[in-house]
Amino acid sequence: DADVTQTPRNRITKTGKRIMLECSQTKGHDRMYWYRQDPGLGLRLIYYSFDVKDINKGEISDGYSVSRQAQAKFSLSLESAIPNQTALYFCATTSGGLPETQYFGPGTRLLVL
Amino acid sequence: AQSVTQLDSQVPVFEEAPVELRCNYSSSVSVYLFWYVQYPNQGLQLLLKYLSGSTLVKGINGFEAEFNKSQTSFHLRKPSVHISDTAEYFCAVSDGYTGKLIFGQGTTLQVKP
Repeated sequence: DADVTQTPRNRITKTGKRIMLECSQTKGHDRMYWYRQDPGLGLRLIYYSFDVKDINKGEISDGYSVSRQAQAKFSLSLESAIPNQTALYFCATTSGGLPETQYFGPGTRLLVL
Repeated sequence: AQSVTQLDSQVPVFEEAPVELRCNYSSSVSVYLFWYVQYPNQGLQLLLKYLSGSTLVKGINGFEAEFNKSQTSFHLRKPSVHISDTAEYFCAVSDGYTGKLIFGQGTTLQVKP
């Protein structure tokens, strides 16, 4: 079974709708991250969390919110989706300490019409 | 502030030829550097990382990279590529505290028969 899972894998929604992307990990890590990938821009950090009570904004947090429901679960919400939020979204996790390997989920492809 | 620049957006190469994917970074703090690979329709997977010590780092699948502090570079190399190496490659830098990654724009390696 995959260490980091994301649901849904694909989603089509309409402008103005609220949607939630979910991430779960079985690696027992404390740190979790949400990135979005756009062609030609690489991956950019949206939010990150060190533990359930410690959530921080990344470089492109506007229009997004997150919830850390448990150590293993980290959800990303788009309160009112807009077309320029169409992207590939990745969740990642790491154990912390010295820069350790980040383990990525398979991604959620989101299309906002 | 940290930043990463990947100098080539696409690199076409014939099978069994050598390849170099170029990465330059900017950082005002300690440098921790990574190369990740993304195969089609998959998440990112770590190829190799530089934290300290030897400037020549060996990774999976025959890839290696050399950290050059004076040139602020971390180029990825492979002496002989295979069709299966066709993927997108990302260079990234970490600040060593938050664990968050700053990614370059990505380089698409296309290996032709």
